[in-house]
Amino acid sequence: AQTVTQSQPEMSVQEAETVTLSCTYDTSESDYYLFWYKQPPSRQMILVIRQEAYKQQNATENRFSVNFQKAAKSFSLKISDSQLGDAAMYFCAYRSALGGGADGLTFGKGTHLIIQP
Amino acid sequence: NAGVTQTPKFQVLKTGQSMTLQCAQDMNHNSMYWYRQDPGMGLRLIYYSASEGTTDKGEVPNGYNVSRLNKREFSLRLESAAPSQTSVYFCASSESWTRSNQPQHFGDGTRLSIL
Repeated sequence: AQTVTQSQPEMSVQEAETVTLSCTYDTSESDYYLFWYKQPPSRQMILVIRQEAYKQQNATENRFSVNFQKAAKSFSLKISDSQLGDAAMYFCAYRSALGGGADGLTFGKGTHLIIQP
Repeated sequence: NAGVTQTPKFQVLKTGQSMTLQCAQDMNHNSMYWYRQDPGMGLRLIYYSASEGTTDKGEVPNGYNVSRLNKREFSLRLESAAPSQTSVYFCASSESWTRSNQPQHFGDGTRLSIL
């Protein structure tokens, strides 16, 4: 079974600065997908960014980018120019490509991101 | 476009009572999922349905049953609620079991308390 580990229960950053959230995972599979989800106090689960394991290029979405190190099984999220609206729980998630990915996501325990004004 | 709709949003039950959580999606997605989220934990998969007519157990299925009523609807039933089932429940859907890179879209969750 796959596991996802987020070693930082809480992070704090000043508004407009850059912060990196770490995620490591354990799998014996070679083909899979990785996601970062944001959960604000409203409880919604919002997709931030996704990465296909077969792609070497790191995914980017505006101020959000990842550092994907497949050999190290590491998938960190970098948030540039942090904004107050970025304050939330952030979850790293893994999805197998076996079986077409019909099974669900495996989540880490989350990192609570605080933005200091 | 409502996306994934869960009802109810909040519910309090007594131990031993039964309840069905409802979920419906209007995105014509094939796959649907039920997760639970406990404090200090990420979401954990309870059951999923890869396509209409199929259901499979996830990581934590004990104490739950599911029904994929049609392509749109996927319900979760607690036959005899226990305090350990106090949690926030999320329903999600994704486009197709063949497209693993497609994200799952989540409902707003149901906060369930078992006394």
